[in-house]
Amino acid sequence: NAGVTQTPKFQVLKTGQSMTLQCAQDMNHNSMYWYRQDPGMGLRLIYYSASEGTTDKGEVPNGYNVSRLNKREFSLRLESAAPSQTSVYFCASSEGQGAYEQYFGPGTRLTVT
Amino acid sequence: GESVGLHLPTLSVQEGDNSIINCAYSNSASDYFIWYKQESGKGPQFIIDIRSNMDKRQGQRVTVLLNKTVKHLSLQIAATQPGDSAVYFCAERGSGAGSYQLTFGKGTKLSVIP
Repeated sequence: NAGVTQTPKFQVLKTGQSMTLQCAQDMNHNSMYWYRQDPGMGLRLIYYSASEGTTDKGEVPNGYNVSRLNKREFSLRLESAAPSQTSVYFCASSEGQGAYEQYFGPGTRLTVT
Repeated sequence: GESVGLHLPTLSVQEGDNSIINCAYSNSASDYFIWYKQESGKGPQFIIDIRSNMDKRQGQRVTVLLNKTVKHLSLQIAATQPGDSAVYFCAERGSGAGSYQLTFGKGTKLSVIP
């Protein structure tokens, strides 16, 4: 039982490049989330998926898109990376709609030059 | 307490002493609160949670206190150990619409002095 896994662990992009961050969970959770964490800041919600087939914007969605590929997988796409998107990205999942505790992955450290 | 700007507040505690980490939350309608621990280079890890109909909850070596009157949350760690060194975040969950979302504080860095 690996919990929440994320790939890649590290990535360096040039401004304007695109990439997809992958996330998978093996806990049969319904809800999944993408956060970003900047130095000295708490986590800020980018997008979430309350259940398979649905996605909604969080606090900071601009510049990102998401896909809930199936119940296990939730990907985050940067279409045209900008230096302001340099951050650590965390994926999380929780048991169900309105469920409380979120389980986090190990994070992806992204640098955009 | 919570940070301002880029610098996290730091709490330094002697090994074996008790630690108290404070958090002020923003939404009086929040119905659920949670504390996470984040070690360097890792994702946040659940410590303990509390619902708004409670004012105290205890776990193993940890206690969370909730004061809804002043919108204040605290995490108490008993007999602090070097392995407790980490950044601690509180988070609140609003009730009703948007209730899938946790709003996180900026964190407090706990340093344990051996």
